Amino acid sequence: LAKTTQPISMDSYEGQEVNITCSHNNIATNDYITWYQQFPSQGPRFIIQGYKTKVTNEVASLFIPADRKSSTLSLPRVSLSDTAVYYCLGESGGSYIPTFGRGTSLIVHP
Amino acid sequence: EAGVTQFPSHSVIEKGQTVTLRCDPISGHDNLYWYRRVMGKEIKFLLHFVKESKQDESGMPNNRFLAERTGGTYSTLKVQPAELEDSGVYFCASSHEAGQGLEAFFGQGTRLTVV
Repeated sequence: LAKTTQPISMDSYEGQEVNITCSHNNIATNDYITWYQQFPSQGPRFIIQGYKTKVTNEVASLFIPADRKSSTLSLPRVSLSDTAVYYCLGESGGSYIPTFGRGTSLIVHP
Repeated sequence: EAGVTQFPSHSVIEKGQTVTLRCDPISGHDNLYWYRRVMGKEIKFLLHFVKESKQDESGMPNNRFLAERTGGTYSTLKVQPAELEDSGVYFCASSHEAGQGLEAFFGQGTRLTVV
């Protein structure tokens, strides 16, 4: 089962905008692109989901180009509490099973 | 609304013993998933229930693992006998329906340590 590819880690400072890009070259036509956030000692938590173009909610924005082979999660004005692992899910192979890759460990510094 | 709850939060057992993990999904969620993360590895899918039926158990490591969901409500995952490599965090998730465009809700996980 093909997996998504994203940076292993990123560092940022409070108040900055953080963009995490994920590659999903083999995404299927019926796959959505979903991002989860995970804090230490907790289970993953849904952040945002989209199929194409741009989606925005109270937490983040998700940008998906026309070819859908990548997506970018944008976190505006991060705070220390945004330090977490961010997972991009996009290639279930038609199984509809949420399938995780390695995730991006984001560390926000004061 | 109560979220997905898992019991116990931690378990330390000796190699060869049996452990049973429990997951209570969100009420009304037909779909229940089990995942596992071994230290340093990805969160890996184990199996998927739709109500009381196993829809997909392709991720189950071996026959020492047995998952059940009697009555389509809570689920248990039993490991018997436990081995050292079974150590990790076991997550349960549930969703109202299966399919793309749907959000899965995860529990806090059960940290299993086999010594």
